[in-house]
Amino acid sequence: NAGVTQTPKFQVLKTGQSMTLQCAQDMNHEYMSWYRQDPGMGLRLIHYSVGAGITDQGEVPNGYNVSRSTTEDFPLRLLSAAPSQTSVYFCASGFAEETQYFGPGTRLLVL
Amino acid sequence: TQLLEQSPQFLSIQEGENLTVYCNSSSVFSSLQWYRQEPGEGPVLLVTVVTGGEVKKLKRLTFQFGDARKDSSLHITAAQPGDTGLYLCAGEWYSSASKIIFGSGTRLSIRP
Repeated sequence: NAGVTQTPKFQVLKTGQSMTLQCAQDMNHEYMSWYRQDPGMGLRLIHYSVGAGITDQGEVPNGYNVSRSTTEDFPLRLLSAAPSQTSVYFCASGFAEETQYFGPGTRLLVL
Repeated sequence: TQLLEQSPQFLSIQEGENLTVYCNSSSVFSSLQWYRQEPGEGPVLLVTVVTGGEVKKLKRLTFQFGDARKDSSLHITAAQPGDTGLYLCAGEWYSSASKIIFGSGTRLSIRP
């Protein structure tokens, strides 16, 4: 039981490049979410999903896309990276939104 | 947009002292969580509260949910250096079900 896994751990992008942050969980959780955390700050909700095929926007969805084709996977796509998207990205999952397990994070630097 | 205010932002105290961290909203929570995060790691869930007036204890940590379900507190008794970290509250409101919004956190430092 690996819990919530995120890849890559660290990524450097140039402005305008696109990429996908991967998130997977093996706990059969219906609820999954993506957050970003800027230095010294709390977490801000980007997108979330209450089950396969269902996604919705969080607080800061602009510039990001998600899909949930399976229960296990919830990838986050950056369409055209900007320096403002430099952050640490956390994926989380849970049987319900109020009991989430977080992954180790992906550190993204956009130059 | 729902706002969740957490205070204080920073707290540095001596080992053995007690402390309280607060989390407030102007709207009624349907549920509220407290997380702890260590540097370089993801947050770890400490507790979830859903009932007004609810009190939960986790060793030296006591969590209280306000009667009106608009506020919560985390009290640590006899703080130890191992309690150092970022404490985050997170809430869900009836008006925005399934969205968990985090506060900005309280960075706690315990001096030996």
